[in-house]
Amino acid sequence: DGGITQSPKYLFRKEGQNVTLSCEQNLNHDAMYWYRQDPGQGLRLIYYSQIVNDFQKGDIAEGYSVSREKKESFPLTVTSAQKNPTAFYLCASSSGTAEAFFGQGTRLTVV
Amino acid sequence: AQSVTQPDIHITVSEGASLELRCNYSYGATPYLFWYVQSPGQGLQLLLKYFSGDTLVQGIKGFEAEFKRSQSSFNLRKPSVHWSDAAEYFCAVGGANFGNEKLTFGTGTRLTIIP
Repeated sequence: DGGITQSPKYLFRKEGQNVTLSCEQNLNHDAMYWYRQDPGQGLRLIYYSQIVNDFQKGDIAEGYSVSREKKESFPLTVTSAQKNPTAFYLCASSSGTAEAFFGQGTRLTVV
Repeated sequence: AQSVTQPDIHITVSEGASLELRCNYSYGATPYLFWYVQSPGQGLQLLLKYFSGDTLVQGIKGFEAEFKRSQSSFNLRKPSVHWSDAAEYFCAVGGANFGNEKLTFGTGTRLTIIP
């Protein structure tokens, strides 16, 4: 089945630690996105990538980093510089004028 | 800059009653508009989309939405809600080539269904 897979579903981070969230798609989509979701704030764009080896900052990129070495993969690293990382993270992909498809999300909690 | 406003944070509807969720957008060109639904702890599922043509679009699960350019609105409707419709609903706007530009989402409307 084609789709987007995010892992892990739940992730716990200690203060000062970097963690990486995985996002893989087998839809052959060119564009991939990372969103952060907090209660009452909707989805806010962190980073997006239109093509392999290229990506752009979204609205809230500070404290995050990404890579796009393969078309299928777009991992997100939450660095220690992100002061409030506890949130629900959603990965999405799209191609051309098709709609965006979303993964099931990763809930990150700072402990 | 593009933006989406969903003025209702939370709506409660009786099962079997009709539903309308409001969405207003701001976009400098012809918008592409979407409604997504999210169950707790899950990703987003596309309900319907508007690209061009007929301004009344039909989606999955019996939902429909009407694009009104003069009012910059794209309201979601359902004639009779079911308990399984309880979820959070997001409206989003993008451009003609949104695969290569970002979508902008509203803050969402949480729908509660009462017996």
